[in-house]
Amino acid sequence: SYELTQPPSVSVSPGQTATITCSGDKLRDEFASWFQQKPGQPPILVIYQDTKRPSGIPERFSGSNSGNTATLTISGTQTMDEADYYCQVWDSSTAVFGGGTKLTVL
Amino acid sequence: EVQLVQSGAEVKKPGESLRISCKASGYSFTSRWINWVRQMPGKGLEWMGRIDPSDSYSNYSPSFQGHVTISADKSITTAYLHWSSLKASDTAMYYCASQLINRGPLDIWGQGTMVTVSS
Repeated sequence: SYELTQPPSVSVSPGQTATITCSGDKLRDEFASWFQQKPGQPPILVIYQDTKRPSGIPERFSGSNSGNTATLTISGTQTMDEADYYCQVWDSSTAVFGGGTKLTVL
Repeated sequence: EVQLVQSGAEVKKPGESLRISCKASGYSFTSRWINWVRQMPGKGLEWMGRIDPSDSYSNYSPSFQGHVTISADKSITTAYLHWSSLKASDTAMYYCASQLINRGPLDIWGQGTMVTVSS
């Protein structure tokens, strides 16, 4: 089955830029979405179609996709951004999630 | 307000059947696919399958095909996830999530339903 690879963890200091990567061959041809999940809460969509932000998502969240790697960037990271982040693509009619990245802000 | 409201937590025994629900409101039910996503304790998100409520077409992840059934009732704008015989390994949080277009983003999520299967 198709897989997306994310680093298990990323650490960043408050106010700095956090970068979370997602790699997989399908990313060359498919749009990536990114989800944020805080403990005890459902995931929320923060980026779709590689670079677009849904209404209500702060501008500090941005996305890119080049080659076989999609990237979620959080500029001026805040303590409230500490969460798990998941990338996702469509493989034909099947959704595939990355393994998730725990972002620690300290 | 577009929202998905899921049924409450369940505690079941191995071998029992179960159906959990996801009620949609605030939009035309037949205009959005409903997906189901599993999250085992302390683990990541796993896509299980989805349904198009307009015609009840569904497709599943190979990992879940044959073990669960997804259905929808347009008359009450509700989607379901059904197990005929639960296993302990089905213990997890289950989320429904909707998408406006085929292969589009999962932009609306339910609050989740915790299913515990234990003898």
